[in-house]
Amino acid sequence: SAVISQKPSRDICQRGTSLTIQCQVDSQVTMMFWYRQQPGQSLTLIATANQGSEATYESGFVIDKFPISRPNLTFSTLTVSNMSPEDSSIYLCSALLAGAYEQYFGPGTRLTVT
Amino acid sequence: EDQVTQSPEALRLQEGESSSLNCSYTVSGLRGLFWYRQDPGKGPEFLFTLYSAGEEKEKERLKATLTKKESFLHITAPKPEDSATYLCAVQAGSSASKIIFGSGTRLSIRP
Repeated sequence: SAVISQKPSRDICQRGTSLTIQCQVDSQVTMMFWYRQQPGQSLTLIATANQGSEATYESGFVIDKFPISRPNLTFSTLTVSNMSPEDSSIYLCSALLAGAYEQYFGPGTRLTVT
Repeated sequence: EDQVTQSPEALRLQEGESSSLNCSYTVSGLRGLFWYRQDPGKGPEFLFTLYSAGEEKEKERLKATLTKKESFLHITAPKPEDSATYLCAVQAGSSASKIIFGSGTRLSIRP
């Protein structure tokens, strides 16, 4: 398994500002992912964070709104840009270990936009 | 289109009352089916991976089974600490490691 940490654990932000969320894994992983979970709902994949190259975004999510970096095998960031109240959600990162199919998740970042 | 449907949405049981949660799926070439537990305010915690029909896995009071169309998570003699949302997810053969989540079952165990 892998231990995944996220910073910050929660934040309250004003409309129009940006927030960068950090994700750190305690071991080298093959793939990292970013999800959004709105209150009472399931997880929606935002993008796959690719090491050393541009992230792969899912339908409905764009790089200008959710820029992602992955400078090495154990670290990734997700920025939520030009925030609006609709961006209020829990943002989760996950990681896939070599040779495994299951993903391990971080504790999440609870974002509230006012 | 790949799809995962969980039922029921919510389930309330008395402590010790066994039951099952259902996860039905339609995917092109199942690579793996996953069960997660999620407590309020936390990230999903991995429970099981099932790869092929007929496979079963157990952990304490939980047992997961898989057929060609659905998976069941059986909970035997549950305790209040088993209260959580249980999420099912699948990875299709063509998905390049992406997994698709169901909407989850909120399980509540009354003492």
